[in-house]
Amino acid sequence: AQSVSQHNHHVILSEAASLELGCNYSYGGTVNLFWYVQYPGQHLQLLLKYFSGDPLVKGIKGFEAEFIKSKFSFNLRKPSVQWSDTAEYFCAVNAWNNDMRFGAGTRLTVKP
Amino acid sequence: GAGVSQSPSNKVTEKGKDVELRCDPISGHTALYWYRQRLGQGLEFLIYFQGNSAPDKSGLPSDRFSAERTGESVSTLTIQRTQQEDSAVYLCASSSGLAGYVEQFFGPGTRLTVL
Repeated sequence: AQSVSQHNHHVILSEAASLELGCNYSYGGTVNLFWYVQYPGQHLQLLLKYFSGDPLVKGIKGFEAEFIKSKFSFNLRKPSVQWSDTAEYFCAVNAWNNDMRFGAGTRLTVKP
Repeated sequence: GAGVSQSPSNKVTEKGKDVELRCDPISGHTALYWYRQRLGQGLEFLIYFQGNSAPDKSGLPSDRFSAERTGESVSTLTIQRTQQEDSAVYLCASSSGLAGYVEQFFGPGTRLTVL
């Protein structure tokens, strides 16, 4: 079964700093990839997704992620974070079956 | 309602008791998922319902866990003879199709504490 690894448990940045959150998965076949975000006190919501085509995908609020098949990675990036980006970020992978595998999450704290 | 709702929001129970958690998906969503999130860990898939098909129960951790869904509406997750390791947030999500191809919409979760 596929697994998902998120390298950072807690990242602390100052506003305007650049962000990159790592995500690696173990499955070798065709995958669909997702980043979900959970803002404090809110539900999990979709940030962006990759199914096929351009490996650089753009999501809401200026986030983007790059799928690198050779590295089994789907890292999340944002050039300049804001205080409002403080949240927990989850990478998720779906392969041939219907269940989604989520990473452990990365908590991002942005200092104003 | 506009989103996925879950009840109760918090549940504290004693070891050995049975608990029932409820999920109301978004109207019209054919797919419904239950996940468990233990403290500091990712979301663990439990069970998946798609329309009238037999549910995918491959993620249920033991026979103490069961779930039902009435048609394409409400689902209940039942945990019998609760154990302390069952303490977690239980999340429900619904989607209009297969999770791998469409967005899942999550509920707020039920925080279960087993004393």
